[in-house]
Order: sequence, then structure tokens, then C-alpha cells
Amino acid sequence: EDQVTQSPEALRLQEGESSSLNCSYTVSGLRGLFWYRQDPGKGPEFLFTLYSAGEEKEKERLKATLTKKESFLHITAPKPEDSATYLCAVQKGSARQLTFGSGTQLTVLP
Amino acid sequence: EAGVVQSPRYKIIEKKQPVAFWCNPISGHNTLYWYLQNLGQGPELLIRYENEEAVDDSQLPKDRFSAERLKGVDSTLKIQPAELGDSAVYLCASSLGYTDTQYFGPGTRLTVL
Repeated sequence: EDQVTQSPEALRLQEGESSSLNCSYTVSGLRGLFWYRQDPGKGPEFLFTLYSAGEEKEKERLKATLTKKESFLHITAPKPEDSATYLCAVQKGSARQLTFGSGTQLTVLP
Repeated sequence: EAGVVQSPRYKIIEKKQPVAFWCNPISGHNTLYWYLQNLGQGPELLIRYENEEAVDDSQLPKDRFSAERLKGVDSTLKIQPAELGDSAVYLCASSLGYTDTQYFGPGTRLTVL
């Protein structure tokens, strides 16, 4: 059975304090791993797709990396506006749906 | 470019009442998804449409849930009758194809009393 586990469940950082969020997955035939950001009362907002181990993608203060078992979302010098829940999801080559983790709730304090 | 539109944004009903949610996907997106998101959890797929055809509805509780996508554009998700456990956020997403990035709407928050 496909599984996606995100850690930590919640993370509080001071502004400027860099950290990483983890997404561990167990899936056969990974087609892609997706990162989304979700603000309270809103739908998930697409950030990145990673397709193969070793791949990295960056957007402003965020950088996503992928290995064969996990993905990391690195946040460099975060700002309060980076506060949100970050969701990762996997898509199998043989299936179409996304299987999501439960998310990491990030709070960046000014 | 307009994003995925959903309505209503909030709905409060009593148990055993019917309820319907509407979704308008991004223009040109052939694939449409309905997800359910419980508090503190990630979204879970209910049904996926390729144009007008429901091609993955294995997670849809068919005894009380139904969905349709007429003309391959807008879609409606219905619950009849609603139960207390149906309280959740119902998200609609769309993509160009099933392998492409999914873009989500703001969701409908359903509260069943």
C-alpha cells in the first residue's frame, strides 16, 4: 500500500531560521512527487514537481530535493508570510491519483 | 488566467438533508478531480473525470454520493442524505491531463449538524 509520511507535524521557526521539512514515501513505480502549500481556508497551491532521485527545484526561499525514499523541502531564511501547511503527494506511474501526506504546519514568528 | 472556481464556499446543513457543490475548472483542462479533506489531513480523492467520463470513482461512497460532469466542463458533487461524518472540506482540482499538475480550487467547507 502506498504511504506518504510527513514530519514534523508542526514546526515553529523564528524569522530567518532555516530548516527542512521531510516527506517519506513508500510507493512502487513513482511517477512524480509534488509539493503544495495550503493557507488556512484555501485550497492547496502548487509549488514543485520532482520526477527522479537527485532532482532539485527552487523557488524564492524554497528548495525541494528528492531521493529514492524521501523528499525534503528546505526553507532558507523564512519570513512570516511563509507560514502555511506544506503538503507532499506522490503519483504512481500506473495510477492517476495523488496520495497526500498529512502535511507540516509551519509557523514563522517575526 | 482564472483558477478553479467552487461554490458555495461554506455550507451548513442538518443531517439527512441533501447538499450539492459546484466546480468550474480552469479553461481547457480535461481532467477534473473531487477530493475530500478532513481537518489536519491531506486531500483524499473521491472521483476523477476525463472529459465527461468518470474514470476513477473507487473511493466515492456511492450509496449517498453522486457526481456528474455535463459537457466535460462544470461538475457537481452531491450528497444525499448527509451524515455528521461528512463534515469536511470538499476540494475540486483540474489538470490538462491525468499526468499533469493538478490545480485546486478554494474548496467548500461543509458542516453537518
